[in-house]
Amino acid sequence: DIQMTQSPSSLSASVGDRVTITCRASQGIRDDLAWYQQKPGKAPKRLIYAASNLESGVPSRFSGSGSGTEFTLTISSLQPEDFATYYCLQHNTYPLLTFGGGTKVEIK
Amino acid sequence: QVQLVQSRADVKKPGASVKVSCKASGYTFSNYAIQWVRQAPGQRLEWMGWINAGNGNTRYSQKFQGRVTITRDTTASTAYMELSSLRSEDTAVYYCARVYSGVPYYWGQGTLVTVSS
Repeated sequence: DIQMTQSPSSLSASVGDRVTITCRASQGIRDDLAWYQQKPGKAPKRLIYAASNLESGVPSRFSGSGSGTEFTLTISSLQPEDFATYYCLQHNTYPLLTFGGGTKVEIK
Repeated sequence: QVQLVQSRADVKKPGASVKVSCKASGYTFSNYAIQWVRQAPGQRLEWMGWINAGNGNTRYSQKFQGRVTITRDTTASTAYMELSSLRSEDTAVYYCARVYSGVPYYWGQGTLVTVSS
């Protein structure tokens, strides 16, 4: 099974900060990776697919990069509505999926 | 528009089974797979299984193999996830999701299942 290690598990940041979240796969997954944002009590929302493609309607301050085993989600200038938990998801082994452990982004 | 509407919250005793439904609308049900994902309180998202809504083929996470059964009723545009031999650790919100570009995109609202004696 492919394991997804996400770091950090939580971070505190201020509005306007640049934030980077990393996901590492236990084996190569090409670019078969998506990023999700989840707010309390809500279903996840997909932000990025195929590692670096921004979903329609998602602000351009979000970006994804990486291929193989290392991936990053970057928020270039953190906004109040971005405080949430972020998850990576690998689908190289579709239909079997693996989520990362999540990163909770909190207000400093 | 695509909508997935799940059954309401449920409370079960340890050892019982629960069946969560996921009714789809706004698209041709049999053309897209449905994934099931759960989230225990304060925990990560966890993939449980998948069904090809067209032919009914299923795949399950090894963690739940033997305890989970995913089915669908194409006439009702509804997918079901049944989890048996419930224990307290199965207390979680259970989500169904329709795939788009290979991964979950449209999500149900979630169903809270509480396992308590």
